Amino acid sequence: GAVVSQHPSWVICKSGTSVKIECRSLDFQATTMFWYRQFPKQSLMLMATSNEGSKATYEQGVEKDKFLINHASLTLSTLTVTSAHPEDSSFYICSSSSGRANEQFFGPGTRLTVL
Amino acid sequence: GDSVTQMEGPVTLSEEAFLTINCTYTATGYPSLFWYVQYPGEGLQLLLKATKADDKGSNKGFEATYRKETTSFHLEKGSVQVSDSAVYFCALSGLTGGGNKLTFGTGTQLKVEL
Repeated sequence: GAVVSQHPSWVICKSGTSVKIECRSLDFQATTMFWYRQFPKQSLMLMATSNEGSKATYEQGVEKDKFLINHASLTLSTLTVTSAHPEDSSFYICSSSSGRANEQFFGPGTRLTVL
Repeated sequence: GDSVTQMEGPVTLSEEAFLTINCTYTATGYPSLFWYVQYPGEGLQLLLKATKADDKGSNKGFEATYRKETTSFHLEKGSVQVSDSAVYFCALSGLTGGGNKLTFGTGTQLKVEL
């Protein structure tokens, strides 16, 4: 199956700093990438959908100025959490889709802890 | 809008027991249906899928049948193993411009004991 990687796998940062998370589609071209947030023992919440070369579409309630998404190529999307606060601590998961067969391939996730 | 409802967990079973995790959905049109599995500390892995009514998805001994008349996609396995312990998510896919948006259920934690 398709492989999606995320980097870093975990990160600890101080409150007020910015953190960038990378999502890479390693063996296929991802026309669309998705960013999710998962709270402990809860389901995945879709944050935004990004298409290569265009602005991301954010879900209702997600602050686009706080969670900056860049999808500069067909294999790379980045999520930057700006001015992070402890309430931003969470598990962030990306997925990639080539648009065929309604299937998304998920990265292993990034654990963000904001002190 | 689209929604997925799963039975609440945790579900605790003995090894070799029969497993059923219920999933029902609400959607417009004809969505594709999925089961994903998440092992501790890891991302989601696709377990199985079905793209149209009466399709049966199967993988690693797990099965689920797309039932349009009951809007259900229940996950079953005849004999669970300790290694099946994980969180299972039911999901559906509806089309959005430029991609396919997944709607997830809340997840069901499965614990299998010896």
